[in-house]
Amino acid sequence: NAGVTQTPKFQVLKTGQSMTLQCAQDMNHNSMYWYRQDPGMGLRLIYYSASEGTTDKGEVPNGYNVSRLNKREFSLRLESAAPSQTSVYFCASSGHQLGQGNSPLHFGNGTRLTVT
Amino acid sequence: AQSVSQHNHHVILSEAASLELGCNYSYGGTVNLFWYVQYPGQHLQLLLKYFSGDPLVKGIKGFEAEFIKSKFSFNLRKPSVQWSDTAEYFCAVNQLGYGGSQGNLIFGKGTKLSVKP
Repeated sequence: NAGVTQTPKFQVLKTGQSMTLQCAQDMNHNSMYWYRQDPGMGLRLIYYSASEGTTDKGEVPNGYNVSRLNKREFSLRLESAAPSQTSVYFCASSGHQLGQGNSPLHFGNGTRLTVT
Repeated sequence: AQSVSQHNHHVILSEAASLELGCNYSYGGTVNLFWYVQYPGQHLQLLLKYFSGDPLVKGIKGFEAEFIKSKFSFNLRKPSVQWSDTAEYFCAVNQLGYGGSQGNLIFGKGTKLSVKP
């Protein structure tokens, strides 16, 4: 039982390059999330998908796009990477939409992205 | 704006010392409350949660937290810490009925705990 799987684990990009972070969960969860974690800032929500076929902006969506490919997969894309996007990115899933059920988040292992 | 405050940025303790990490939130309605732990180089893991009922919640590894509604607080405690408890601890508050399908889960900025052997 893998839980939430993220790829890649590490990535170095040059400014202006693009990339996609992949996330998949095998817990049949409805909701999936992308967070970024920066020192002293805690976790900030980038985008979320409350259910298959829907996506919504979180607190810091600028510079990112997402795709909920199916119930299992939720990808995050950086179209033109900037140094300000250097961060650790975490994907998470939950059984219910937050606020509508008693379901904590299950996190992936993270992707450490450096943009030079 | 709604917020979650963790007052201690970095706490340093010796083994066997008692631990209390503060968490306060600003939302006046119904909340679900969580503590997550992040061990060095790892992802966040759920430590404990409060949804309803007994305000004293027991989690894994001897941790507990007490929800005090009148103080908008959900402090994390452990009577005797171990070196292996060295990690970063995040409080999170889910504001029920806030609006929007997200339900507005807000994380605190985290408290780093260093336990000296």
